[in-house]
Amino acid sequence: GQNIDQPTEMTATEGAIVQINCTYQTSGFNGLFWYQQHAGEAPTFLSYNVLDGLEEKGRFSSFLSRSKGYSYLLLKELQMKDSASYLCAVSNYGQNFVFGPGTRLSVLP
Amino acid sequence: EAGVTQSPTHLIKTRGQQATLRCSPISGHTSVYWYQQALGLGLQFLLWYDEGEERNRGNFPPRFSGRQFPNYSSELNVNALELEDSALYLCASSDSSSSNQPQHFGDGTRLSIL
Repeated sequence: GQNIDQPTEMTATEGAIVQINCTYQTSGFNGLFWYQQHAGEAPTFLSYNVLDGLEEKGRFSSFLSRSKGYSYLLLKELQMKDSASYLCAVSNYGQNFVFGPGTRLSVLP
Repeated sequence: EAGVTQSPTHLIKTRGQQATLRCSPISGHTSVYWYQQALGLGLQFLLWYDEGEERNRGNFPPRFSGRQFPNYSSELNVNALELEDSALYLCASSDSSSSNQPQHFGDGTRLSIL
């Protein structure tokens, strides 16, 4: 079966660092993707990991451990505009994606 | 480069009617995906088309159907509309010529069933 878990909601303070976790159990694995979705808008692609380790992209970093079925998205120097839902998605074969339920992040002043 | 475009932006129907949603992928992308996102919920996979063929289908009833045209644009058809079909319908496209390509989303069609 396919199962992806993320925390439902998180709250953090402007300027802080927050880590959003994602665990997955899928029938195959080709890569893990993170998306940001502001309320009422389309998801936008943030990052992807196909090999174990950390991928850094400015204020955003994403980590993957395939043996543990685990990933996290790290957001540094939080800004108010980072308040959004963050979606974890696994590509399990070909280009088939399975999306997690999303984590709603609220950044407080 | 133009992104994924969807039309219409909003669509209002009544129960029992039929709805057609349209999607144009990014130029050069051959794969098109459809998702349903009900208010406050996650993305639910509907359909995946590539090179004109249906490659995979999510856990939705047969009244959800679609097709992909030779220019890779796509239509999603929903027959016998029910109240619970009210949702944001998102289309995404990707370059299937190589693996691990991200999906890029359109702004969606908000379907409201009265």
